[in-house]
Amino acid sequence: QKEVEQDPGPLSVPEGAIVSLNCTYSNSAFQYFMWYRQYSRKGPELLMYTYSSGNKEDGRFTAQVDKSSKYISLFIRDSQPSDSATYLCATHYGQNFVFGPGTRLSVLP
Amino acid sequence: ETGVTQSPTHLIKTRGQQVTLRCSSQSGHNTVSWYQQALGQGPQFIFQYYREEENGRGNFPPRFSGLQFPNYSSELNVNALELDDSALYLCASSAGQKNTEAFFGQGTRLTVV
Repeated sequence: QKEVEQDPGPLSVPEGAIVSLNCTYSNSAFQYFMWYRQYSRKGPELLMYTYSSGNKEDGRFTAQVDKSSKYISLFIRDSQPSDSATYLCATHYGQNFVFGPGTRLSVLP
Repeated sequence: ETGVTQSPTHLIKTRGQQVTLRCSSQSGHNTVSWYQQALGQGPQFIFQYYREEENGRGNFPPRFSGLQFPNYSSELNVNALELDDSALYLCASSAGQKNTEAFFGQGTRLTVV
């Protein structure tokens, strides 16, 4: 079982839709959770990080962590074509990040 | 854009050769981590350097080695290149070992032929 699992997609939505991206993880020792956005041929860009269970909101983005079920989510409201990218969830353990494989999102105008 | 810069941006090498990739960390950051990202996969941790010492290593063979310099810039060296080493190599810098907010460079795309 991989440590972080994520549906690779691709996921296509119309502009303005609410997008839900999800990951599960296997190790209850993981404490910090991050969402990165990666455009084609670019490095990952940190969107949000959370520590505790619950919601964290930043503009159109909301990160949600449920440690009891080892489930993390990213919601994007009013999605835009510029949100089209690969979204990577990650957790931090020791000195390294463990990444999911990423979900490829396309927002269609 | 982050303050993390990597060079070169693209590189083509022949199997068996050696390669050196470079990373300049963001100002104020003393920790650099290297990741390998194969096409369609998430980044895989190679190793981390903190204050010029290797501070953690992923499941990569010894032919992957690195250095960190007093200005906290870093190099990744790969010897005896194999075709499977073809990937995007990412450098991430952070302030401290905890890495909770790490910022990535744009990566070096290495192709081994």
